[in-house]
Amino acid sequence: GQSLEQPSEVTAVEGAIVQINCTYQTSGFYGLSWYQQHDGGAPTFLSYNALDGLEETGRFSSFLSRSDSYGYLLLQELQMKDSASYFCAVRVDRGSTLGRLYFGRGTQLTVWP
Amino acid sequence: DSGVTQTPKHLITATGQRVTLRCSPRSGDLSVYWYQQSLDQGLQFLIQYYNGEERAKGNILERFSAQQFPDLHSELNLSSLELGDSALYFCASSEGGDEDEQYFGPGTRLTVT
Repeated sequence: GQSLEQPSEVTAVEGAIVQINCTYQTSGFYGLSWYQQHDGGAPTFLSYNALDGLEETGRFSSFLSRSDSYGYLLLQELQMKDSASYFCAVRVDRGSTLGRLYFGRGTQLTVWP
Repeated sequence: DSGVTQTPKHLITATGQRVTLRCSPRSGDLSVYWYQQSLDQGLQFLIQYYNGEERAKGNILERFSAQQFPDLHSELNLSSLELGDSALYFCASSEGGDEDEQYFGPGTRLTVT
């Protein structure tokens, strides 16, 4: 099966940098995605890593180490609106089931003024 | 706005009843995914359809069924409802069956009393 571990809560102040870690155990790992979800809202896609290394998109960056089964989401210059839940999700390579995602339990980020 | 629509937004029903949740994917997207999100289980993949055919199955109960119609909209049918089925049900879509990014609809909040 698949398992993903991420911290349940993280807090930080406005303007700070925060890193949300995700470790996974899965067979047929294909890639790691990150989604943001505000309270009661729909998850929205942030980033995707299939290869080792850092992907940067504005204030957000995502990192993957396939050998360590580990990734993280880095949020810089935190803003109040970044307060949300952040989910890591793995894609597995199993032929026709390539598209499905397995989600972690989510990390609740609270940004304080 | 992701372009994915879901109806209804809220649904309150009694145990033992049957309900149908509806999803219209983004224009041009062929894949539809259904997810269940509850407080204790996180985001759980239920099922994926691609261009009208079932593509992948997750933790979907036998009491639940889904289909994707020729116009690509999808319906999730939940029957013999139990209190534990109370959750947010999300539909997501992607252009093909294995894209990096899935676009989530606003969800249907089901409350079983």
